[in-house]
Amino acid sequence: EAQVTQNPRYLITVTGKKLTVTCSQNMNHEYMSWYRQDPGLGLRQIYYSMNVEVTDKGDVPEGYKVSRKEKRNFPLILESPSPNQTSLYFCASSLYGAVIYGYTFGSGTRLTVV
Amino acid sequence: GESVGLHLPTLSVQEGDNSIINCAYSNSASDYFIWYKQESGKGPQFIIDIRSNMDKRQGQRVTVLLNKTVKHLSLQIAATQPGDSAVYFCAEASSNTGKLIFGQGTTLQVKP
Repeated sequence: EAQVTQNPRYLITVTGKKLTVTCSQNMNHEYMSWYRQDPGLGLRQIYYSMNVEVTDKGDVPEGYKVSRKEKRNFPLILESPSPNQTSLYFCASSLYGAVIYGYTFGSGTRLTVV
Repeated sequence: GESVGLHLPTLSVQEGDNSIINCAYSNSASDYFIWYKQESGKGPQFIIDIRSNMDKRQGQRVTVLLNKTVKHLSLQIAATQPGDSAVYFCAEASSNTGKLIFGQGTTLQVKP
């Protein structure tokens, strides 16, 4: 089944403890992206990647890192999480880029930083 | 600046009625539009898309209308069912930027 898989689905952590949220897609998509979703603010892009080893900042990149060493994986790294990063996170992928075929989203990771 | 908005945060309809969810966009350079459905606890799911060279596109029970003159997008759901209850997002993109911008979302509630 074609899908975007995120792990974990739920995570509670403490301020300052480094964490990684994994994202993997099995559709051979070139484009991958991370979003956070907050009440009243909608979906905001954190980082995106047009292809392997090509990443760029989205609208809210502060406090996050990403890497794209393989085409299928696009992990989101929080080096020192803070409570304002408590949010619902979505990974998304697209065949050739954002404007061509839309995105396929993962099921989300609900992160709580205490 | 660029923004995509929905006219109503919540829409309540009776089962079997038709639903119309509206969206206004501000970037006249946008040439690709998508509607997503997000059910509770799940990621957004693609419903239907439309390009700027079209005014209307139909899918199964859904129709998207695009009015470029007033920069307005709508999603029509025929014979709304309880399973249609979700948050609906419109999104716009421009070939120039390659970026997809999402609106705030409209919650559709279907009353039995």
